[in-house]
Amino acid sequence: GDSVTQTEGLVTLTEGLPVMLNCTYQTIYSNPFLFWYVQHLNESPRLLLKSFTDNKRTEHQGFHATLHKSSSSFHLQKSSAQLSDSALYYCALRITGNYKYVFGAGTRLKVIA
Amino acid sequence: AQTIHQWPVAEIKAVGSPLSLGCTIKGKSSPNLYWYWQATGGTLQQLFYSITVGQVESVVQLNLSASRPKDDQFILSTEKLLLSHSGFYLCAWSLPGTGGGDTQYFGPGTRLLVL
Repeated sequence: GDSVTQTEGLVTLTEGLPVMLNCTYQTIYSNPFLFWYVQHLNESPRLLLKSFTDNKRTEHQGFHATLHKSSSSFHLQKSSAQLSDSALYYCALRITGNYKYVFGAGTRLKVIA
Repeated sequence: AQTIHQWPVAEIKAVGSPLSLGCTIKGKSSPNLYWYWQATGGTLQQLFYSITVGQVESVVQLNLSASRPKDDQFILSTEKLLLSHSGFYLCAWSLPGTGGGDTQYFGPGTRLLVL
C-alpha cells in the first residue's frame, strides 16, 4: 500500500541554522499529491505546503519544498530556523481522485536559542 | 467565527462504555469531511471520510463507526470503548479542489481517555 517515511523522531537545531526535514513516499500511482502539515503544541494540524507538480518549488511562510517524482521525495526546507518553528511536522500523501490520506510518523522540530 | 466545531472538548470514559463524538461545519456547502485519530505522540491516522450526506467510507477498522446525518455534521461513535481508543480525535473538512489538492482544515479536536 501507499506509505510515507519521514525523518525520524526529534530534530534539534540552533536558531538561524537551516532546516531540512526529509519525506519520501511510496505509491504505485503516478499522480500523487504531497502535503506538509504543521502542528504546534496543543493545536490542530494546519497546512504548510502542498504540491502536485514534478520538480516545481512551492513556498509558504519561509518554508519550501519540491516534489521530485524520480526520487519520490518532498523534503521540507527553510534557510534559517526560528524559535517559533518548533512544532510537529507531518508529510502526507493523497492519490488524485481518492479521498484517502496517508500521513508519515511526523518529525518533531525543536529550535533552541 | 470558527468554521468547525467539535464536541465534547474532552472525555474520560470507562472501557466498554459507548462513545459519541461530534463535528459541525458552518458556512461551507457540501464539504468533504474526515475523521482522524492521533495517539499521544503518534501520527495522524485517517479513520473515515464522507463526500456527501448519508455516505461514509471507512479507511481503517478500529471498532468505530461514523455517520453523516446532515450536510454539516459528522458523528463518530462506538458501542464499546477499548483502552486503545484513547487519543486525540480530529475532524477535518475540505472543499473539492482540482486534482485532489484540496486543503484539509482541522477542528480543535476531542481528547479521549479510556480507563
